[in-house]
Amino acid sequence: DAKTTQPPSMDCAEGRAANLPCNHSTISGNEYVYWYRQIHSQGPQYIIHGLKNNETNEMASLIITEDRKSSTLILPHATLRDTAVYYCIVRAPGGFQKLVFGTGTRLLVSP
Amino acid sequence: GAVVSQHPSWVICKSGTSVKIECRSLDFQATTMFWYRQFPKQSLMLMATSNEGSKATYEQGVEKDKFLINHASLTLSTLTVTSAHPEDSSFYICSAGPSGANVLTFGAGSRLTVL
Repeated sequence: DAKTTQPPSMDCAEGRAANLPCNHSTISGNEYVYWYRQIHSQGPQYIIHGLKNNETNEMASLIITEDRKSSTLILPHATLRDTAVYYCIVRAPGGFQKLVFGTGTRLLVSP
Repeated sequence: GAVVSQHPSWVICKSGTSVKIECRSLDFQATTMFWYRQFPKQSLMLMATSNEGSKATYEQGVEKDKFLINHASLTLSTLTVTSAHPEDSSFYICSAGPSGANVLTFGAGSRLTVL
């Protein structure tokens, strides 16, 4: 599986946009970029995924560079409840394809 | 959306006993489920891939005789921690997704404490 690199921690003020970067320079052509987050003592929660086009849903936006070697997850208006560990993962499509977690970014949203 | 349920959410057992954790897909069928383990302040570590009707595939370094996985139906996979010891105390999490889907859903996790 391709590896990803994320900063270990980030801070964000409540109400501001949180921009979480991820490097995946060895991503393969058929691999998607997935973002999950884990709030303390809970199972990971799916946020968004994409192949090469930018994606947006009710939770976040995903910006993937044209060469697909990096991406940014954007939480447009961070709230205290967005404090969590955010994981960027690259994975081939299909229900049988496993998700391999890296160390993630610990996002702290402060008042 | 796809829902994955785990039971129990927490369990405490004595050293030397075995503990079974269930992972169920509530609104879809899953031929494949994944089991993870997470120690405090660490990331999730994939333990094994559970395959319906066949043997599980274990990741390197995971003892298959210690962590028994059974995937007897399309909606249920079980992880049994045999002869549990305090070092097996951890947060165990499963995930699954509908066939052909690109998104895996995770259960809420099961916290095991071995005394």
